Amino acid sequence: GAGVSQSPSNKVTEKGKDVELRCDPISGHTALYWYRQSLGQGLEFLIYFQGNSAPDKSGLPSDRFSAERTGGSVSTLTIQRTQQEDSAVYLCASSPKEGVNIQYFGAGTRLSVL
Amino acid sequence: AQSVTQLDSQVPVFEEAPVELRCNYSSSVSVYLFWYVQYPNQGLQLLLKYLSGSTLVKGINGFEAEFNKSQTSFHLRKPSVHISDTAEYFCAVTPNSNSGYALNFGKGTSLLVTP
Repeated sequence: GAGVSQSPSNKVTEKGKDVELRCDPISGHTALYWYRQSLGQGLEFLIYFQGNSAPDKSGLPSDRFSAERTGGSVSTLTIQRTQQEDSAVYLCASSPKEGVNIQYFGAGTRLSVL
Repeated sequence: AQSVTQLDSQVPVFEEAPVELRCNYSSSVSVYLFWYVQYPNQGLQLLLKYLSGSTLVKGINGFEAEFNKSQTSFHLRKPSVHISDTAEYFCAVTPNSNSGYALNFGKGTSLLVTP
């Protein structure tokens, strides 16, 4: 079956613009995570969705970052008024509801803010 | 909270030599431990995991790791590396629970295998 799919694979934007990054999890997986990978900070957790529960937003770095998950499947991460420090690879992962929390990752979206 | 320390940022090694990538963790609760590999311009791929039971776990591509609770370590080993093992390796920890928790990652170790 298909893995976690992320689009676009690369995104170049100008400072101050808004961007949307998409994640399509593995079919049947109810949990979805967003992480950010940057040179200085390594891999950082951003947000976590589980079924219909309220998302865990504890990792979002500022109120310019938001995410939603529609219909319990596809998720969109939105960054408003992008800054140069937002340049990073944004990784999405999903995991099944039952059993151990093993996360499966997509290939990521490389965001470059000029 | 949990944290992970990967002691080596870069490990150069010759092809067919053995390698060990070190990982230490800190946690006030029981944990699950993982090693992920990231090839250039790709996402993270699960190499192996420790959940419970035998402390020696085997993963894909000939890698294995040993969980040592007293030393809070989870070092990754391979007896003979290939050029194709060149990649970034990440150790990660999460609470021992069937609830969803974020993974806490180490900073990564870059393994460079040369002929």
